[in-house]
Amino acid sequence: EAGVAQSPRYKIIEKRQSVAFWCNPISGHATLYWYQQILGQGPKLLIQFQNNGVVDDSQLPKDRFSAERLKGVDSTLKIQPAKLEDSAVYLCASSLDRRVGYGYTFGSGTRLTVV
Amino acid sequence: GQQVMQIPQYQHVQEGEDFTTYCNSSTTLSNIQWYKQRPGGHPVFLIQLVKSGEVKKQKRLTFQFGEAKKNSSLHITATQTTDVGTYFCAGLNDYKLSFGAGTTVTVRA
Repeated sequence: EAGVAQSPRYKIIEKRQSVAFWCNPISGHATLYWYQQILGQGPKLLIQFQNNGVVDDSQLPKDRFSAERLKGVDSTLKIQPAKLEDSAVYLCASSLDRRVGYGYTFGSGTRLTVV
Repeated sequence: GQQVMQIPQYQHVQEGEDFTTYCNSSTTLSNIQWYKQRPGGHPVFLIQLVKSGEVKKQKRLTFQFGEAKKNSSLHITATQTTDVGTYFCAGLNDYKLSFGAGTTVTVRA
């Protein structure tokens, strides 16, 4: 089966600019996750979707971050305006269903550098 | 909130030797998952443990889930150069998967 697709792979922007990341999960996976991984740390959950609804966004900095999954398939994560501390790899993952509790499949990530 | 801690942060191993990495959660978990991330790569799912005291093996890797479902360990025997990478444990609680900081493994040939 095809994996989780993410684009772009790399992005360099200046602080205060905006940026968007795109993710297409594995076909049939109901749950989609966005994680932020800062260099040298473990991934940190930003937001979790079940189909097209948000089920957890408690760690999403909502003053600057937003995400949507309008048709319950692909998703976009946006940062506006970006700060230097947003430099990280943004990982998208999907799983069959959050209620089943099985392993996640991660995409290759988008490496964001804010200068 | 839930915290997952891993030790050691770094593990330098002579090829052929064994080592263990440990994971502890501040809360009781529904399950614990282990992932491997190669340098420059993304986390790849290795295994999931669900039952109290569960032990699972994958070739040279042995995974254990504690009786209280708050801790776990990964033991690798006869380390090979292909074992290089960062191993993350991740605890699932209330449908939220929280990752530890990882153990980064380097291997001396």
